Amino acid sequence: QSALTQPRSVSGSPGQSVTISCTGTSSDIGGYNYVSWSQQHPGKAPKLMIYDVSKRPSGVPDRFSGSKSGNTASLTISGLQAEDEADYYCCSYAGTYTWVFGGGTKLTVL
Amino acid sequence: QVQLVQSGAEVKKPGASVKVSCKASGYTFISYYMHWVRQAPGQGLEWMGIINPSGGSTSYAQKFQGRVTMTRDTSTSTVYMELSSLRSEDTAVYYCARGHIVGTTYNWFDPWGQGTLVTVSS
Repeated sequence: QSALTQPRSVSGSPGQSVTISCTGTSSDIGGYNYVSWSQQHPGKAPKLMIYDVSKRPSGVPDRFSGSKSGNTASLTISGLQAEDEADYYCCSYAGTYTWVFGGGTKLTVL
Repeated sequence: QVQLVQSGAEVKKPGASVKVSCKASGYTFISYYMHWVRQAPGQGLEWMGIINPSGGSTSYAQKFQGRVTMTRDTSTSTVYMELSSLRSEDTAVYYCARGHIVGTTYNWFDPWGQGTLVTVSS
Protein backbone atom coordinates (compact mmCIF):
# COMPACT_ATOMS: atom_id res chain seq x y z
CA GLN A 1 0.00 0.00 0.00
CA SER A 2 1.91 3.02 -1.26
CA ALA A 3 0.80 6.48 -0.22
CA LEU A 4 -1.21 8.50 -2.70
CA THR A 5 0.72 11.30 -4.42
CA GLN A 6 -0.12 14.92 -3.64
CA PRO A 7 1.80 18.13 -4.40
CA ARG A 8 3.73 19.26 -1.35
CA SER A 9 2.35 22.78 -1.56
CA VAL A 10 -0.07 25.02 -3.43
CA SER A 11 -0.92 28.68 -3.00
CA GLY A 12 -3.50 31.22 -4.03
CA SER A 13 -4.72 34.72 -3.25
CA PRO A 14 -7.94 35.48 -1.39
CA GLY A 15 -10.93 35.08 -3.69
CA GLN A 16 -9.08 32.87 -6.15
CA SER A 17 -9.57 29.14 -6.75
CA VAL A 18 -7.03 26.41 -6.16
CA THR A 19 -7.05 22.73 -7.03
CA ILE A 20 -5.14 20.02 -5.20
CA SER A 21 -4.52 16.75 -7.00
CA CYS A 22 -4.21 13.27 -5.55
CA THR A 23 -2.87 10.47 -7.73
CA GLY A 24 -3.18 6.80 -6.99
CA THR A 25 -3.64 3.61 -8.96
CA SER A 26 -6.39 1.42 -10.33
CA SER A 27 -6.24 -0.47 -7.01
CA ASP A 28 -7.33 2.51 -4.97
CA ILE A 29 -8.60 5.78 -6.45
CA GLY A 30 -9.28 4.32 -9.87
CA GLY A 31 -11.07 1.27 -8.53
CA TYR A 32 -13.58 2.85 -6.16
CA ASN A 33 -15.62 6.01 -5.72
CA TYR A 34 -14.50 6.23 -2.12
CA VAL A 35 -12.16 9.23 -1.90
CA SER A 36 -12.20 11.67 0.98
CA TRP A 37 -10.42 14.92 1.74
CA SER A 38 -9.57 16.20 5.21
CA GLN A 39 -8.32 19.59 6.37
CA GLN A 40 -5.83 19.93 9.21
CA HIS A 41 -4.80 23.18 10.87
CA PRO A 42 -1.50 23.20 12.80
CA GLY A 43 -1.74 21.37 16.10
CA LYS A 44 -5.33 20.31 15.46
CA ALA A 45 -7.05 17.06 14.55
CA PRO A 46 -8.11 16.68 10.92
CA LYS A 47 -11.62 17.59 9.78
CA LEU A 48 -13.54 15.84 7.00
CA MET A 49 -14.32 18.15 4.07
CA ILE A 50 -15.30 15.78 1.24
CA TYR A 51 -16.29 12.11 1.21
CA ASP A 52 -17.09 9.65 -1.56
CA VAL A 53 -15.30 11.81 -4.16
CA SER A 54 -17.66 14.77 -4.20
CA LYS A 55 -20.06 14.74 -1.22
CA ARG A 56 -19.86 17.41 1.46
CA PRO A 57 -20.63 16.66 5.12
CA SER A 58 -23.13 18.95 6.76
CA GLY A 59 -21.59 22.30 7.63
CA VAL A 60 -18.81 22.28 5.03
CA PRO A 61 -19.05 25.34 2.74
CA ASP A 62 -19.94 24.71 -0.88
CA ARG A 63 -16.68 26.47 -1.81
CA PHE A 64 -15.15 23.03 -1.34
CA SER A 65 -15.74 20.53 -4.12
CA GLY A 66 -14.27 17.21 -5.16
CA SER A 67 -13.96 15.24 -8.37
CA LYS A 68 -12.21 12.24 -9.85
CA SER A 69 -10.92 11.20 -13.25
CA GLY A 70 -9.27 7.83 -13.65
CA ASN A 71 -6.63 7.35 -10.97
CA THR A 72 -6.57 11.03 -9.95
CA ALA A 73 -8.86 12.81 -7.51
CA SER A 74 -9.00 16.56 -7.05
CA LEU A 75 -10.11 19.01 -4.39
CA THR A 76 -11.05 22.49 -5.56
CA ILE A 77 -11.45 25.39 -3.18
CA SER A 78 -13.09 28.45 -4.71
CA GLY A 79 -13.29 31.93 -3.22
CA LEU A 80 -10.19 31.31 -1.10
CA GLN A 81 -10.31 32.67 2.42
CA ALA A 82 -7.54 33.15 4.97
CA GLU A 83 -8.95 30.39 7.18
CA ASP A 84 -8.55 27.88 4.35
CA GLU A 85 -4.78 27.93 4.93
CA ALA A 86 -4.07 24.44 6.23
CA ASP A 87 -2.80 21.00 5.26
CA TYR A 88 -5.08 18.88 3.11
CA TYR A 89 -5.01 15.09 2.91
CA CYS A 90 -6.71 12.82 0.43
CA CYS A 91 -7.64 9.29 1.34
CA SER A 92 -8.90 6.38 -0.74
CA TYR A 93 -10.38 2.99 -0.06
CA ALA A 94 -7.90 0.40 -1.35
CA GLY A 95 -9.92 -2.79 -1.19
CA THR A 96 -10.17 -5.64 1.37
CA TYR A 97 -11.04 -3.15 4.08
CA THR A 98 -7.89 -1.09 3.83
CA TRP A 99 -7.46 2.63 3.26
CA VAL A 100 -4.51 4.76 2.14
CA PHE A 101 -3.74 8.46 2.65
CA GLY A 102 -1.87 10.92 0.50
CA GLY A 103 1.26 12.64 1.73
CA GLY A 104 -0.55 15.92 2.32
CA THR A 105 -0.53 19.34 0.64
CA LYS A 106 0.16 22.62 2.40
CA LEU A 107 -2.17 25.36 1.16
CA THR A 108 -0.88 28.90 1.59
CA VAL A 109 -3.26 31.85 1.17
CA LEU A 110 -1.10 34.71 -0.05
CA GLN B 1 -22.78 15.77 20.12
CA VAL B 2 -20.56 13.05 18.73
CA GLN B 3 -17.27 13.04 20.59
CA LEU B 4 -14.16 10.87 20.77
CA VAL B 5 -11.91 11.34 23.79
CA GLN B 6 -8.52 9.67 23.81
CA SER B 7 -6.16 8.74 26.64
CA GLY B 8 -3.21 10.88 27.60
CA ALA B 9 0.34 11.10 26.30
CA GLU B 10 2.71 8.17 26.81
CA VAL B 11 6.48 7.79 26.96
CA LYS B 12 7.78 4.29 26.24
CA LYS B 13 11.15 2.63 25.84
CA PRO B 14 12.10 0.79 22.66
CA GLY B 15 10.75 -2.73 22.66
CA ALA B 16 7.83 -1.91 24.94
CA SER B 17 4.13 -1.82 24.08
CA VAL B 18 1.60 0.99 24.30
CA LYS B 19 -2.20 0.85 24.55
CA VAL B 20 -4.21 3.93 23.58
CA SER B 21 -7.91 4.25 24.33
CA CYS B 22 -10.67 6.15 22.54
CA LYS B 23 -13.98 6.64 24.33
CA ALA B 24 -16.98 7.43 22.14
CA SER B 25 -20.12 9.31 23.10
CA GLY B 26 -23.11 10.92 21.44
CA TYR B 27 -24.01 8.06 19.09
CA THR B 28 -24.68 4.33 18.99
CA PHE B 29 -21.20 2.92 19.49
CA ILE B 30 -21.72 -0.43 17.77
CA SER B 31 -23.22 1.13 14.63
CA TYR B 32 -20.05 2.76 13.28
CA TYR B 33 -16.60 1.47 12.41
CA MET B 34 -13.59 3.11 14.04
CA HIS B 35 -10.28 3.88 12.29
CA TRP B 36 -6.85 4.42 13.80
CA VAL B 37 -4.49 6.84 12.05
CA ARG B 38 -1.08 8.08 13.12
CA GLN B 39 1.00 11.14 12.30
CA ALA B 40 4.74 11.29 12.95
CA PRO B 41 6.18 14.72 13.82
CA GLY B 42 6.05 16.98 10.76
CA GLN B 43 4.76 14.13 8.60
CA GLY B 44 1.50 13.11 6.97
CA LEU B 45 -1.35 10.88 8.05
CA GLU B 46 -0.87 7.11 7.98
CA TRP B 47 -3.80 4.66 8.15
CA MET B 48 -3.21 1.87 10.65
CA GLY B 49 -6.39 -0.14 10.75
CA ILE B 50 -10.11 -0.37 11.41
CA ILE B 51 -12.35 -2.16 13.89
CA ASN B 52 -16.02 -3.07 13.77
CA PRO B 53 -17.22 -2.33 17.32
CA SER B 54 -20.23 -4.56 16.82
CA GLY B 55 -18.48 -7.88 16.28
CA GLY B 56 -14.89 -6.88 16.99
CA SER B 57 -13.56 -7.80 13.54
CA THR B 58 -10.48 -5.89 12.42
CA SER B 59 -8.42 -5.09 9.36
CA TYR B 60 -4.87 -3.77 9.63
CA ALA B 61 -2.48 -2.06 7.25
CA GLN B 62 0.12 -4.53 6.04
CA LYS B 63 2.87 -2.42 7.62
CA PHE B 64 1.49 -3.02 11.11
CA GLN B 65 0.39 -6.65 10.77
CA GLY B 66 1.70 -8.63 13.72
CA ARG B 67 2.44 -5.54 15.81
CA VAL B 68 -0.95 -3.89 16.22
CA THR B 69 -4.08 -5.11 17.97
CA MET B 70 -7.37 -3.24 18.00
CA THR B 71 -10.07 -4.18 20.48
CA ARG B 72 -13.26 -2.74 21.88
CA ASP B 73 -15.31 -2.72 25.07
CA THR B 74 -18.97 -2.23 24.25
CA SER B 75 -19.87 -1.74 27.92
CA THR B 76 -17.87 1.49 28.01
CA SER B 77 -18.06 2.46 24.31
CA THR B 78 -14.30 2.40 24.12
CA VAL B 79 -11.92 1.16 21.45
CA TYR B 80 -8.26 0.39 22.08
CA MET B 81 -5.17 0.30 19.90
CA GLU B 82 -2.13 -1.57 21.17
CA LEU B 83 1.19 -1.35 19.35
CA SER B 84 4.03 -3.63 20.39
CA SER B 85 7.79 -3.84 19.81
CA LEU B 86 7.98 -0.06 19.77
CA ARG B 87 10.87 1.68 18.02
CA SER B 88 11.81 5.32 17.72
CA GLU B 89 10.04 5.57 14.36
CA ASP B 90 6.74 4.89 16.14
CA THR B 91 6.93 8.28 17.85
CA ALA B 92 3.77 9.95 16.61
CA VAL B 93 0.35 11.32 17.44
CA TYR B 94 -2.18 8.51 17.27
CA TYR B 95 -5.77 9.39 16.34
CA CYS B 96 -9.03 7.48 16.37
CA ALA B 97 -11.64 8.58 13.85
CA ARG B 98 -15.22 7.40 13.46
CA GLY B 99 -15.75 5.60 10.18
CA HIS B 100 -18.79 4.57 8.19
CA ILE B 101 -21.96 2.90 9.35
CA VAL B 102 -21.68 -0.88 9.81
CA GLY B 103 -23.33 -2.62 6.87
CA THR B 104 -22.54 0.16 4.42
CA THR B 105 -19.42 1.25 2.58
CA TYR B 106 -18.24 4.80 2.18
CA ASN B 107 -15.13 6.79 2.95
CA TRP B 108 -15.79 8.62 6.20
CA PHE B 109 -13.34 9.81 8.83
CA ASP B 110 -15.24 12.11 11.19
CA PRO B 111 -15.06 13.14 13.90
CA TRP B 112 -11.51 12.58 15.07
CA GLY B 113 -10.25 12.20 18.60
CA GLN B 114 -7.94 14.85 19.99
CA GLY B 115 -4.89 12.65 19.41
CA THR B 116 -2.49 10.89 21.77
CA LEU B 117 1.23 11.59 21.57
CA VAL B 118 3.32 8.46 21.98
CA THR B 119 7.03 9.09 22.42
CA VAL B 120 9.46 6.19 22.08
CA SER B 121 12.82 7.00 23.60
CA SER B 122 15.51 5.24 25.55
